[in-house]
Amino acid sequence: SAVISQKPSRDICQRGTSLTIQCQVDSQVTMMFWYRQQPGQSLTLIATANQGSEATYESGFVIDKFPISRPNLTFSTLTVSNMSPEDSSIYLCSVSGGSTDTQYFGPGTRLTVL
Amino acid sequence: QKEVEQDPGPLSVPEGAIVSLNCTYSNSAFQYFMWYRQYSRKGPELLMYTYSSGNKEDGRFTAQVDKSSKYISLFIRDSQPSDSATYLCAMNTNAGKSTFGDGTTLTVKP
Repeated sequence: SAVISQKPSRDICQRGTSLTIQCQVDSQVTMMFWYRQQPGQSLTLIATANQGSEATYESGFVIDKFPISRPNLTFSTLTVSNMSPEDSSIYLCSVSGGSTDTQYFGPGTRLTVL
Repeated sequence: QKEVEQDPGPLSVPEGAIVSLNCTYSNSAFQYFMWYRQYSRKGPELLMYTYSSGNKEDGRFTAQVDKSSKYISLFIRDSQPSDSATYLCAMNTNAGKSTFGDGTTLTVKP
């Protein structure tokens, strides 16, 4: 299984600012994903981070609000831009790799927007 | 209609009970079936993984997949307070991206 780390683990931010979340994997993986999980709810996929090309966004999520970078096969960033209190959530990085196509998750970044 | 429906919770059982967690799905192309456990304030942790139909056992946990009925289950034997968590079913079609259920929150009371 892959070991995934995320930074920061939590943050409290002011409305209108931006936060960049980093995801680092201990091995090269084919696919990386970013999810949002609001309190008491399940996982909502934001986008698939593609290495060397633009991310693929799910319905309801746009690049201007959630720009994503993936410069190599072990690292990705998600930026939450122009934040509002509605962006308060846990943001999770996930990877899929190997022959099983199972997904592994990072510990999450708990974001609070005031 | 959602592609994956998970039995809603919350579920509360006494310590030592057998727990059954269930999901149904509509996409017959799903081939990989997973169960994740998520403790409060943590990321989901892969618990069990099954390919196609059949049973898989790992200690006190048994994952069961019935593709003909489009139904998967996770059984926990001799449940412990440490099993208290939210359990998420997930499945995919070998395309890397999984579809998740909404989760069932389990509490095991000492």
